[in-house]
Amino acid sequence: RKEVEQDPGPFNVPEGATVAFNCTYSNSASQSFFWYRQDCRKEPKLLMSVYSSGNEDGRFTAQLNRASQYISLLIRDSKLSDSATYLCVVNVESNYQLIWGAGTKLIIKP
Amino acid sequence: EAGVTQFPSHSVIEKGQTVTLRCDPISGHDNLYWYRRVMGKEIKFLLHFVKESKQDESGMPNNRFLAERTGGTYSTLKVQPAELEDSGVYFCASSLSGTGGFSEQFFGPGTRLTVL
Repeated sequence: RKEVEQDPGPFNVPEGATVAFNCTYSNSASQSFFWYRQDCRKEPKLLMSVYSSGNEDGRFTAQLNRASQYISLLIRDSKLSDSATYLCVVNVESNYQLIWGAGTKLIIKP
Repeated sequence: EAGVTQFPSHSVIEKGQTVTLRCDPISGHDNLYWYRRVMGKEIKFLLHFVKESKQDESGMPNNRFLAERTGGTYSTLKVQPAELEDSGVYFCASSLSGTGGFSEQFFGPGTRLTVL
């Protein structure tokens, strides 16, 4: 079983729509949670951290369910520029290494 | 301020040859990490330096891989001898010293290694 599991997609979504991604993680000792964005042939970049109470950054909302070991990302009013691969990432307590999901590919269509 | 830089951007070598990848972290970042993404798979952690010391090298696949960070500045990752399965994108990342909390890791553009 993978440590972080994501639906690989692709998700084909019309511009302006709302799209949600989910991710599950297997290690209950995981302490920090993130969504990274990676454009084709580029490096991953931090989109947002995910906090226990849930957090929002503009059109992006992230939620964490520790009991179910589940993380979600919601993108509202999607833009063409949101097309990318979204990577779910966790970090285990006292361990700096990041553990990555394989990513979910999002394609926003005009 | 310059970000994390990596050299070369691409490398194509034959099986059995040696390749050395270089990473220059953001100035002042004590933490330096190497990750690898093999095609079709998720990004995997290789190792973590704090200054010049290896903090965690649990992700290094085997003894054909050698990472160094002399002087606690730039780092090199040498693969010798390279095998076909070493092909992938090697990312370097750096972060500030942690003070109990987690510091964001900033990634370089990666080195795309192809072993023929």
